[in-house]
Amino acid sequence: GDSVTQMEGPVTLSEEAFLTINCTYTATGYPSLFWYVQYPGEGLQLLLKATKADDKGSNKGFEATYRKETTSFHLEKGSVQVSDSAVYFCALSDPSGGFKTIFGAGTRLFVKA
Amino acid sequence: NAGVTQTPKFRVLKTGQSMTLLCAQDMNHEYMYWYRQDPGMGLRLIHYSVGEGTTAKGEVPDGYNVSRLKKQNFLLGLESAAPSQTSVYFCASSAAGTYGYTFGSGTRLTVV
Repeated sequence: GDSVTQMEGPVTLSEEAFLTINCTYTATGYPSLFWYVQYPGEGLQLLLKATKADDKGSNKGFEATYRKETTSFHLEKGSVQVSDSAVYFCALSDPSGGFKTIFGAGTRLFVKA
Repeated sequence: NAGVTQTPKFRVLKTGQSMTLLCAQDMNHEYMYWYRQDPGMGLRLIHYSVGEGTTAKGEVPDGYNVSRLKKQNFLLGLESAAPSQTSVYFCASSAAGTYGYTFGSGTRLTVV
C-alpha cells in the first residue's frame, strides 16, 4: 500500500541555518504531495503542495520539489527562524487510494536563537 | 473565520461513559475525516465521509461510530470509553483529495 517515510527528529538548528527535512513515498498511482505544519497545541496547517512531477510547492520561505524519479518531496528553507519551531508532516493523496491522505510520522524541528 | 470547528476542546471521561465529538465546517467541503494523534504513532484515520449520508471505516475504527447527516457536520461517537481512547482527536475536511485538508484545532480527550 501507499506509504510516506520522513526523517526522524528532533532536528535542532540555530536561527538562520539551512533546513532540509527528507521525505520519500511509495504509491501505486500518481499522488499529490503535501507538507503540513503543526504548531504546539494546534491542528495541522497545509504548508505547501505539489500535484505532479517536477512541480515545486512554496510558501513562507519553505519549498519542496516533487521528484518522481527518486520518489521524494524534501522540505527546504534557506534560513530558519525561532518561529519555525513545530512538527512537520509529509503526506500524499493517491487517487487510486480513494483520495485518502497518508501522513508521515512527523519531524519535530527546534530552532534556537 | 471560515474553517473547521471542533467541540469540545477538552474533555475528561470515566471508563464506560459515552460522548460525541462535533465537527463543523463552513467551506462546503464534500470530504470529512476523523483522526487521532498519539505520541509516536502519528496521525491515524478513524472514519471518513465522502459526502452527506455516507461514512466509511479508516485504519482504527473499533470503538467509534460516526454520522454525517448534514454536509457541514461530522460527528464522532464513543459508546463506551476506554483508557486506550485517550488521545487528541482531529477533524479535517477537503474539497477533494488533491486540494489538501483543513484541520480543526483538536479535542484533547482523557479517559480515566
